[in-house]
Order: sequence, then structure tokens, then C-alpha cells
Amino acid sequence: AQTVTQSQPEMSVQEAETVTLSCTYDTSENNYYLFWYKQPPSRQMILVIRQEAYKQQNATENRFSVNFQKAAKSFSLKISDSQLGDTAMYFCAFRVGSWAGGTSYGKLTFGQGTILTVHP
Amino acid sequence: EAQVTQNPRYLITVTGKKLTVTCSQNMNHEYMSWYRQDPGLGLRQIYYSMNVEVTDKGDVPEGYKVSRKEKRNFPLILESPSPNQTSLYFCASNRDGRGGYTFGSGTRLTVV
Repeated sequence: AQTVTQSQPEMSVQEAETVTLSCTYDTSENNYYLFWYKQPPSRQMILVIRQEAYKQQNATENRFSVNFQKAAKSFSLKISDSQLGDTAMYFCAFRVGSWAGGTSYGKLTFGQGTILTVHP
Repeated sequence: EAQVTQNPRYLITVTGKKLTVTCSQNMNHEYMSWYRQDPGLGLRQIYYSMNVEVTDKGDVPEGYKVSRKEKRNFPLILESPSPNQTSLYFCASNRDGRGGYTFGSGTRLTVV
């Protein structure tokens, strides 16, 4: 079974500064995907960034980038030039990359979430 | 617009009164699933479906039922709701269980 841990229940940052959210995971799989989702007060789940485990290069989407350390099973999210609209709950999530059977197929395993507040 | 539509958005009900939360997607996705979100626990999978008439349990299936009679619809049924099913529920779909996920807007359920 896979587990995902986000050890920071809450974080805060000043507008225009940089913040890093931590995520660690545990799995025996070699082929998998990692995601960061944003959940603003509207409750909508919004995909921020995605990383394939077989890719060594860290994924980047505009102001959002990840630091993927496969050996350490770490997947942190860096938000640069923070904006007020970045205020939200952020979830780290894991999915196996191939069907190993059972209940793992297609399932996203989520961390506990980190509430990020951006202050003006 | 490609989307997953959940209804209702908010629901307050009493213990034991059967209810259904509907979920519909317009992307012809094969894979659909239900999650519940609770503080400090993140989202946990309740049930999933790989295609019409193919459903299976997730991590927290107790007290829930699902059906997949049509590809686009995947309702979540609580036949006898209890207060511990008070939660935020999400329906999600993707093309085949491997691609990106599209989430519904969530249903806030309160059982009193």
C-alpha cells in the first residue's frame, strides 16, 4: 500500500515571496505519478503540476515547480512570486503507473493537505 | 465544456434517510471514482468503476453503494446515512485510469 505524508498542516508567506510545501511518500512501485492539487475556498480540485517517476527532470508550470527526489521519496512544491490567489489547501497525491490489480488501479492516494495563506 | 457535474452541492439529512448523490461526466471517460474528504485525512477513495457495470471497493466503502449503468453516470448511494458519513464528497473521472483526473465541484453532506 502507498502512503503520502504532508507534515506541514499550515504555511504562510508574504505576497511576492517564495514558499515550499513538503511531501513524502512511501511505495514499493517503480512506475508511478505524483501530483499537486490546489483546493481554493470554492472547493474545486485544481491540478497544479504532475511528475512522472521515470522522468529525472523536475516538472515546472509557470510559477510552480517541484523538487522530485526519487531515492528519498520526496516531492516538494515550490511556489515563486506568491500571489493572493494562491491562498488555498494544497494536496500531494500519488498514483501507480500501471495496473497491478486490486484497488490500486487508478486510485489517487492523497496526503493530509497543507493550508497555504498568502499575506499582502 | 468538459466537466464532471455533481448534485447537490449541499445536503443536510437525518440519520437513516436514504439519499443519492449524482455524478455525471461528458468526456466519455471510462474510469470514475468517489472520494470523501475529511480534515486531517485528505481525500480517500470510496468506490471506483472501470467501465459500465464494473465497480469495485476503494479504501472506505462501508455504508456506501454505487452503480454504473451508463458510462456517463456514477451515482453514490447512502442507504442508511449515519453522522460519521458527514463529509465533503468528490466525484472524479479520467479516460482510462491512467490519464489526468477531472473532479466535480464537491458535495457537502451533513447527517444529523
